[in-house]
Amino acid sequence: DQQVKQNSPSLSVQEGRISILNCDYTNSMFDYFLWYKKYPAEGPTFLISISSIKDKNEDGRFTVFLNKSAKHLSLHIVPSQPGDSAVYFCAASAQRGGSNYKLTFGKGTLLTVNP
Amino acid sequence: GAGVSQSPSNKVTEKGKDVELRCDPISGHTALYWYRQSLGQGLEFLIYFQGNSAPDKSGLPSDRFSAERTGGSVSTLTIQRTQQEDSAVYLCASSLGDRRWTEAFFGQGTRLTVV
Repeated sequence: DQQVKQNSPSLSVQEGRISILNCDYTNSMFDYFLWYKKYPAEGPTFLISISSIKDKNEDGRFTVFLNKSAKHLSLHIVPSQPGDSAVYFCAASAQRGGSNYKLTFGKGTLLTVNP
Repeated sequence: GAGVSQSPSNKVTEKGKDVELRCDPISGHTALYWYRQSLGQGLEFLIYFQGNSAPDKSGLPSDRFSAERTGGSVSTLTIQRTQQEDSAVYLCASSLGDRRWTEAFFGQGTRLTVV
């Protein structure tokens, strides 16, 4: 039973355009969400996060939007650059309770930004 | 070293053999995590160590899996009597503490192949 779903295994966009990566979750206990980026043969690196008390968080070219009622979040990258080509993982945790360190990941979306 | 170091990078083992995977966290990081990523899947939580507290082993898939962390630093994940379904990339991460887990740094992983 997948609690965090990334339904698009891959996404291809042109350099300079917007990349939108989507993520859905089913567990209503999740209240903190993160995006990680992973290059081949490297470990994932933290990109951006959002708490459920917000609906938007922005960091440079990266913006994460959260729609709690739809249990949906998305990562927007504007403008997309070839160096953004990587696998992007959505992850979630439940801050309430004693296991807030435990992250539940989606399967990832491979983003390819074409020059 | 500057980052989380895992060894070996790759391990091929015969079904039924035991394997040990090693993780050297970033110096001073008290929290250490093990995740695994099976083919086509997201990262799956295995175990969490925080300082001298009892580890959270709730993610270990079977009693063939065990992990220890000696001296609050190096960690070893042991898989006994390996099975083909154990084939995956095993990722270790560390962070300054359990309230800083979003700043967890991942190693490059150990790719385990059970033949």
